[in-house]
Amino acid sequence: QKEVEQNSGPLSVPEGAIASLNCTYSDRGSQSFFWYRQYSGKSPELIMFIYSNGDKEDGRFTAQLNKASQYVSLLIRDSQPSDSATYLCAVNTRGGADGLTFGKGTHLIIQP
Amino acid sequence: NAGVTQTPKFQVLKTGQSMTLQCAQDMNHNSMYWYRQDPGMGLRLIYYSASEGTTDKGEVPNGYNVSRLNKREFSLRLESAAPSQTSVYFCASGNTGNTEAFFGQGTRLTVV
Repeated sequence: QKEVEQNSGPLSVPEGAIASLNCTYSDRGSQSFFWYRQYSGKSPELIMFIYSNGDKEDGRFTAQLNKASQYVSLLIRDSQPSDSATYLCAVNTRGGADGLTFGKGTHLIIQP
Repeated sequence: NAGVTQTPKFQVLKTGQSMTLQCAQDMNHNSMYWYRQDPGMGLRLIYYSASEGTTDKGEVPNGYNVSRLNKREFSLRLESAAPSQTSVYFCASGNTGNTEAFFGQGTRLTVV
């Protein structure tokens, strides 16, 4: 059984600060890792993906992967009110043919 | 660019009625997926199709059937709707392998 765990929050962060979102997964066969952002009433949209151990940066976003510890995190620098949303962690195993397994999401609130 | 298109966006059914949710993608993706999203439960995979002509059960397939009509289209059918099937349904597509999934705009279904 593949499981992806996230703290549901809400996580409240002041505007301009760094938001740190964490995710753990149970299946050591997981090969790729994704962060989606979902605004209320909207569909999930991809923010970042990471395949290898270490950090991957894209603008204000940094994804971090540690396969030995089975966790992946997302850092959002200079947080903006528009970053307020639910962030979904997803993992992919066995070549991805059977789809992504999602965590339940972390609700992030950026306080102006 | 349409991406992944779902119809309808909203639907109210009476218990026992049937309906089909339609999904089409124009990104030439091999794989297509149906997820449901419930409060506190996250996104759960109902069925998936790794390629044209194949379909497989996901985590929560009971009460649903699917058809992969061609490479573009993947439909989800509720034969006898139940209140427990009240949810938001998302269709997604992606290429086989460690790649992301792209989501449609969702269908909000209420069964009364």
